[in-house]
Amino acid sequence: KAGVTQTPRYLIKTRGQQVTLSCSPISGHRSVSWYQQTPGQGLQFLFEYFSETQRNKGNFPGRFSGRQFSNSRSEMNVSTLELGDSALYLCASSHRSLGQGGKLFFGSGTQLSVL
Amino acid sequence: QQQVKQSPQSLIVQKGGISIINCAYENTAFDYFPWYQQFPGKGPALLIAIRPDVSEKKEGRFTISFNKSAKQFSLHIMDSQPGDSATYFCAAGEAGTALIFGKGTTLSVSS
Repeated sequence: KAGVTQTPRYLIKTRGQQVTLSCSPISGHRSVSWYQQTPGQGLQFLFEYFSETQRNKGNFPGRFSGRQFSNSRSEMNVSTLELGDSALYLCASSHRSLGQGGKLFFGSGTQLSVL
Repeated sequence: QQQVKQSPQSLIVQKGGISIINCAYENTAFDYFPWYQQFPGKGPALLIAIRPDVSEKKEGRFTISFNKSAKQFSLHIMDSQPGDSATYFCAAGEAGTALIFGKGTTLSVSS
């Protein structure tokens, strides 16, 4: 079974731009969660989508948004990029929703650099 | 209340030694405590997890010890190997919410 696939692997953007990251979950998984990883803050939860509906949301500004398609693939969008948005963005898929204790399988992430 | 505090931030252990990483939490509603292992360039991978109804869980060289009254749990890596060199994250969660992760411990096992 193929793992969680995140594209692109690396991104360089400038302040004020917007960016879209993509995540393809493991086949059959309906839950996709997004995390931001930085050296100082560790992993911080952004949001979770399950069957195309946002189920949980972390404490991030509205510039961070996401969606999930009928094939469970998910995209995350960050608008009006700030320098502090530079981070590794991780996607995790699960067979069950986080609320049901689903085991998380992480992708290798998208490294975003904002200049 | 929602934080998970992890220590130490970094750890150097000799090959064959025991690596110990500690985590503490405040929210007594947490009922799931996993540990994740992350190698450079890769995403975290679930290593081992425990529920609060047991005080210890062992899988190979990896053991979680859980102290419910102290609200602490720890990861012990016995006979540490250079291949164990990675960043380790503890996490805690409850039904209906996302996992809260510690800030990570970078383990280096010297040969």
